[in-house]
Amino acid sequence: EVQLVESGGGLVQPGGSLRLSCVASGFTLSSYSMNWVRQAPGKGLEWVSYISSSTNTIYYADSVKGRFTISRDNAKNSLYLQMNSLRAEDTAMYYCVREVVGATDYFDFWGQGTVVTVSS
Amino acid sequence: SYELTQPPSVSVSPGQTATITCAGHNLGNKYVCWYQQKPGQSPVLVIYQDNVRPSGIPERFSASNSGNTATLTISGTQAMDEADYYCQVWDSSAIIFGGGTKLTVL
Repeated sequence: EVQLVESGGGLVQPGGSLRLSCVASGFTLSSYSMNWVRQAPGKGLEWVSYISSSTNTIYYADSVKGRFTISRDNAKNSLYLQMNSLRAEDTAMYYCVREVVGATDYFDFWGQGTVVTVSS
Repeated sequence: SYELTQPPSVSVSPGQTATITCAGHNLGNKYVCWYQQKPGQSPVLVIYQDNVRPSGIPERFSASNSGNTATLTISGTQAMDEADYYCQVWDSSAIIFGGGTKLTVL
């Protein structure tokens, strides 16, 4: 059974840092590109960051560029998101998402998410 | 930056056909995906590559993409289809979601 389990969320003050983790099971993480997608309370989906299977390619949304860093450890079946200089507008549920890459790309599996709250 | 525009809400009676649109510049030149999100749950892929249903998605879900508009169609809508629906594309080096459409079945 495919599983993506996020952790590391919590309450942090503005300007603070958090590191989110996502542990994958039921499939070989190294075969997939991965993403982080977030959803602010009562709002829509917002893509945050992408990392290719081999880590050769990394992309960020403009809203987090320079503050967030995506990484992965395929040996540990894990995906990470280091979030620095956090702002109130970063408050959201953060989802770890598996992406199928081929003739077309799509998100075929989403984790349950971890909540990040940025507040003083 | 590229934008996708969806109607905030769509209402449909049970058994009728629901149509949800997603508009973007030359959207027909991109592959569109659709995701369903029920309250308190993670999104689920319902359509990829414009009109392909993943395994396990009912046949009543179909979609098309041409010109500047992609359309998700739910035929014989059921109460269980009430959810938020999001369209999504890749644009250059970014992933873009539409703002989402709340489908109400009443």
